[in-house]
Parts: sequence; structure tokens; C-alpha cells
Amino acid sequence: SAVISQKPSRDICQRGTSLTIQCQVDSQVTMMFWYRQQPGQSLTLIATANQGSEATYESGFVIDKFPISRPNLTFSTLTVSNMSPEDSSIYLCSVEDPRSEGATDTQYFGPGTRLTVL
Amino acid sequence: QKEVEQNSGPLSVPEGAIASLNCTYSDRVSQSFFWYRQYSGKSPELIMSIYSNGDKEDGRFTAQLNKASQYVSLLIRDSQPSDSATYLCAVTLIQGAQKLVFGQGTRLTINP
Repeated sequence: SAVISQKPSRDICQRGTSLTIQCQVDSQVTMMFWYRQQPGQSLTLIATANQGSEATYESGFVIDKFPISRPNLTFSTLTVSNMSPEDSSIYLCSVEDPRSEGATDTQYFGPGTRLTVL
Repeated sequence: QKEVEQNSGPLSVPEGAIASLNCTYSDRVSQSFFWYRQYSGKSPELIMSIYSNGDKEDGRFTAQLNKASQYVSLLIRDSQPSDSATYLCAVTLIQGAQKLVFGQGTRLTINP
């Protein structure tokens, strides 16, 4: 499966500031996804990022709060803007790996970014 | 009704026994079903995927799918303490925009 890295692995930020999270994949992939996992909760999809088009946001998530870039087929960034303590979560990127066996909608996850907002 | 439902547990199983994890989903036309394992502080790791009715076995893991009952399960045979983790069921929902939706996860503890 694809090898996915994320930076930073963790950060502690002050409210009102912004943090940009990077996701790098070792192969070209069409679909990249950003998820949020709040403490003790499951994963919630924030948005889908395809190269060359605007990201598609899920209900409850807006571009002004979570701007996403997808400049090429191996890289994406998620920015958490104007942060508040409620944004404290783990942020995960995932990809659909076209090399995986079975259906092409199998998703693999990066190691995640643990964000704490004070 | 939640789109994907799991019993949050915790589920405690003695070492060497069979652990049984269950999941139901709401979208009748879903085609792809996944089980992920998540250790505390780590990201989800894919264990099994299943697309057809019946059983699919991989080592100590067996995934079972019953589309008529909208039910998918994961069996772990000869449970080991290293199997202690949260297990997430995920389903690709077709209604509306296709996307992967996760259940709330079942916390499994294997007792030595």
C-alpha cells in the first residue's frame, strides 16, 4: 500500500492562530481525503481533495475554516484556521491506493497530526 | 438511525478465545466494507475488506458479510493481547455522494 507521511505529527497552538498540516504520499494518487477524529470519537470526513479541482467539503465543514490545497498527485495540505479549543483533534489524511487489491475505494491512512488548542 | 452502527464496548475476551465484532449499516446499495484496527494514539490500519456475501478469511481474521441483513462482522480467532485495540467498521455509502463512513468503533480488550 501507499506510504503516507504527515507533518507536523503534533502541535500545541494558541486560539485564534492557524496551522497548516501537510500530507505526502510516495506515489501518485487521484483521491486524497482529510478526516478529523475528536477525543474518544470515530473518524469524520472533512473534505475530499482531488488534484486540479476545488475540494469537496462535507456538511458542517467550510472552506474558510478548513482551506485545502492539492497542488499535485502526491501532496495536499489542510489548514485549520482561527483555531479554538474545540478544534483539538487528530487530523488524518488518507488516500485511495490504485495499487491495492480489490476495489479501488480502499483507503489507507497517514499517521495523523495531534492538535491541541489552548 | 446512524449510517454505520457498532457496539462501542468495551468487549473483553480471554486470550485464545474468539472475539466477535459486529456492525450494521443503513445504505442497502453499499458495495464495499472494511475493518480497521486502531491502537491508542495511532492511526487506523486496514485489516480486512469484503465486497461479496459470505466469509473472507485472512490468517486469524474472518470477515462476514450479509447484505440482505445489512450486517458485517469480524471474527478474531485465537485472540492475543496484541489484538487489544479499537476496531472500526467502515462502509462506502452510495446514496448521495459516495464516501466512506465509519462506525463509532468497538474497544476490544484481550485478557491474558
